[in-house]
Amino acid sequence: KAGVTQTPRYLIKTRGQQVTLSCSPISGHRSVSWYQQTPGQGLQFLFEYFSETQRNKGNFPGRFSGRQFSNSRSEMNVSTLELGDSALYLCASNPGQGVVEQYFGPGTRLTVT
Amino acid sequence: AQSVTQLGSHVSVSEGALVLLRCNYSSSVPPYLFWYVQYPNQGLQLLLKYTTGATLVKGINGFEAEFKKSETSFHLTKPSAHMSDAAEYFCAVSASNTGGFKTIFGAGTRLFVKA
Repeated sequence: KAGVTQTPRYLIKTRGQQVTLSCSPISGHRSVSWYQQTPGQGLQFLFEYFSETQRNKGNFPGRFSGRQFSNSRSEMNVSTLELGDSALYLCASNPGQGVVEQYFGPGTRLTVT
Repeated sequence: AQSVTQLGSHVSVSEGALVLLRCNYSSSVPPYLFWYVQYPNQGLQLLLKYTTGATLVKGINGFEAEFKKSETSFHLTKPSAHMSDAAEYFCAVSASNTGGFKTIFGAGTRLFVKA
């Protein structure tokens, strides 16, 4: 079974721009979560989607948004990028049926200049 | 609410020595506990998990962890370190929330293995 895939792997954007990151979960997994990882703040939970509905949300500003499609693929969008948004963005999937562990993708490294 | 504290941002051991990475958690409900490992430029890989039942949990690559409710701890151990164990390790706690699970990660402990 293929693992979680994230595209693109690396991205460079300018302040004020917006960006969309994509995540394809493991086949059959219905839950997708997003995390931001930075050296200073560590791993912080952004949001979780299950069956196209946002089920949990972390403490991030409204510039961070996401969605999930009927095939469970998910995208997250960051608008009006700030320098502090530079981070590794990790996506994790979970079957969503009583299984509690998550399976992570390799991440998208976003650099904002 | 849940929280996780990993004691020691860096741990250095010699090859063949015992590895001990410490994790304490806080949870208002019975927690699910995890250890993940992250190698450079990669995502996180699950090492082991505790849900219910046996408090000593065995994982991959010879790692194990013991859930101690009275101490609110979930320390990770490996009897003999290998060079390939050098990586960053994250302890995490999860609890059911509005039908799903919200996972909180510790700050991570970077393990160095000396030859």
